[in-house]
Amino acid sequence: QMHLQESGPGLVKPSQTLSLSCTVSGGSINSGYYYWNWIRQHPGKGLEWIGYISYSGSTYYNPSLESRVIISVDTSKDQFSLRLSSVTAADTAVYYCVRDQGSPSYGMDVWGQGTTVIVSS
Amino acid sequence: QSVLSQPSSASGTPGQRVTISCSGSSSNIGNNFVYWYQQLPGMAPQLLIYRNDQRPSGVPDRFSGSKSGTSASLAISGLRSEDEADYYCAAWGDNLAGYVFGTGTKVTVL
Repeated sequence: QMHLQESGPGLVKPSQTLSLSCTVSGGSINSGYYYWNWIRQHPGKGLEWIGYISYSGSTYYNPSLESRVIISVDTSKDQFSLRLSSVTAADTAVYYCVRDQGSPSYGMDVWGQGTTVIVSS
Repeated sequence: QSVLSQPSSASGTPGQRVTISCSGSSSNIGNNFVYWYQQLPGMAPQLLIYRNDQRPSGVPDRFSGSKSGTSASLAISGLRSEDEADYYCAAWGDNLAGYVFGTGTKVTVL
């Protein structure tokens, strides 16, 4: 059973870069046709897809965030990461790392527990 | 910001059937599969329905999904107290729109 765990700073200053990592356990990050996603949820609000990196290394980002987002993978560590630059208070949210598989998708079937990031000076 | 519309709330008594709608367009639901996620209070979302009407293993058959045109529905039959949660529909969008979620529906068991 694959398991995902987010890690990173819980507090980021405005204008700085938010950096989070997601560690994959219970399987290798490149063991299947997986798409590794980041999704966030603003306080008391709905879900927002940020983007993914695929098993082949291709990336796809939410158009509304694309200019500030980079998702990368480190297969040697079974980790993938999110970098979101020039953050503001509007980036305060719970950030989830999520596995998707297949194309067409079989659904986002493995979620991390989520990590809260607050943007404040 | 969500491009898929859902009712903000739905409710029912134990044992009843509750249906949640999800309205999109030809560039998302109309041309792609629909997914449903359940988010229990304080928890991460979990996959409930994939590819319009398929249940992952472990999901009770009380949950069913359907799609017609640019809309989709999630039905919960035999409503139980543990079904109190937020429910989100989702779909991939065409034209580089990415993965789009619904506005979410809070289900209350009376």
